[in-house]
Formats: sequence, C-alpha cells, structure tokens
Amino acid sequence: GAGVSQSPSNKVTEKGKDVELRCDPISGHTALYWYRQSLGQGLEFLIYFQGNSAPDKSGLPSDRFSAERTGGSVSTLTIQRTQQEDSAVYLCASSLGSRAGQETQYFGPGTRLLVL
Amino acid sequence: GQQLNQSPQSMFIQEGEDVSMNCTSSSIFNTWLWYKQDPGEGPVLLIALYKAGELTSNGRLTAQFGITRKDSFLNISASIPSDVGIYFCAGRGYGQNFVFGPGTRLSVLP
Repeated sequence: GAGVSQSPSNKVTEKGKDVELRCDPISGHTALYWYRQSLGQGLEFLIYFQGNSAPDKSGLPSDRFSAERTGGSVSTLTIQRTQQEDSAVYLCASSLGSRAGQETQYFGPGTRLLVL
Repeated sequence: GQQLNQSPQSMFIQEGEDVSMNCTSSSIFNTWLWYKQDPGEGPVLLIALYKAGELTSNGRLTAQFGITRKDSFLNISASIPSDVGIYFCAGRGYGQNFVFGPGTRLSVLP
C-alpha cells in the first residue's frame, strides 16, 4: 500500500513569508508526527496527533509554528513569517496507534525548506 | 528530559566488515526502534524491539534490546556499499513520545 507522502518535496521562500507543508499519512494510521531535521542533525520532535485527542504541541519552537489535522487524516504544518533558521527538512511520520505494538513510526520523504 | 546518545558518531569501514553501534538512554524505555536514512530521503524502519533482552534480525542486521532497558545495539554483518547512510535509534518510555538519537553516520570503503 501507499506510504506516507509529503508535499511539496522542496520549497524555497523569502524571509517573512508564510509556508504550508502537507502530510498524507498511511491510511488507517491514527497517529501522526511532525519532526524537523537540520542539516546533518538528528530529528527534532515538533507535534503529535493521536486520534481525536488534543495534539501534543510541546515541541513547537515558537508560536509561528502551527499544525492541523483535518478529519483524522491529512495534516498541514504552517510556518508564519519564516526566518532563515527555519530552513530544514520537515519530516512527517504516522503510526497505527500509540499503544505498544502499534507505535512504530513510518516516515515520509520530507519537505526541504529553504528560507532566503 | 529524556536524551539518547549514539556511538560512534561516525565510522568508516571496509566493505565486508561487520559493524556495531549502540544507543544509550538516561531513562528506561519500553520500545526501541532502529532507522536508516539515505541522503535526501526520510528514515526507513529497520528493526523494532519491544521486550528487554529481545534479539531481532532483519537480513544482515541484528538488533538487541538491552537488559537494563536503557540501551540498544545494532549490528550489521558483512557490510556492503549500500549500507552507507545515517542510522538512528529511537526510544520510548511509558506514556512518552519517541526520542531520537543524533545518528551514526556509516561510510563503507570499497
């Protein structure tokens, strides 16, 4: 079946503009995660959605970052008034659920964001 | 908060050699995952571990869930050029989100 897909694959924007990044999780997966990966670095947790529960936003670096998940499926990560330090690869992952045995995360290819 | 350390940070090996890397945590985990990331791609799951002491293989890869539940190990036997990439461990404690390690960068010399 189809894996996690993300769009766009690459995005170049000017400082101060807003950007929207999209994630389509694996069908039937109730959990969705966003991570940020700076060049040559590990994964930085941003936000986590599980079913209809309130999202865990504890990793969002500032109030310029927000995310939505509509209908329990597609998610959009929005970065307002982008800054150069926002340049990174934004990775989305989904898992079947959050319980043991369901929690394995499957990643999309990422969106490479460059803020000029 | 929870932190993961991976060792070594990077390694250069000859094709055909075996590889060992590990991941250690400051706290107890219930699940360990190992991922590989190729340049320009998202991480791909290699092995998932759910039980202390568990030893699981996936082809030439073998991973173990440490008895202390604070560490995990990944071994690659008879390395080949396509093993090049970054290997990430990830762990999760009860009721916690997954934490990812900084990665081990593997280079294979022909």
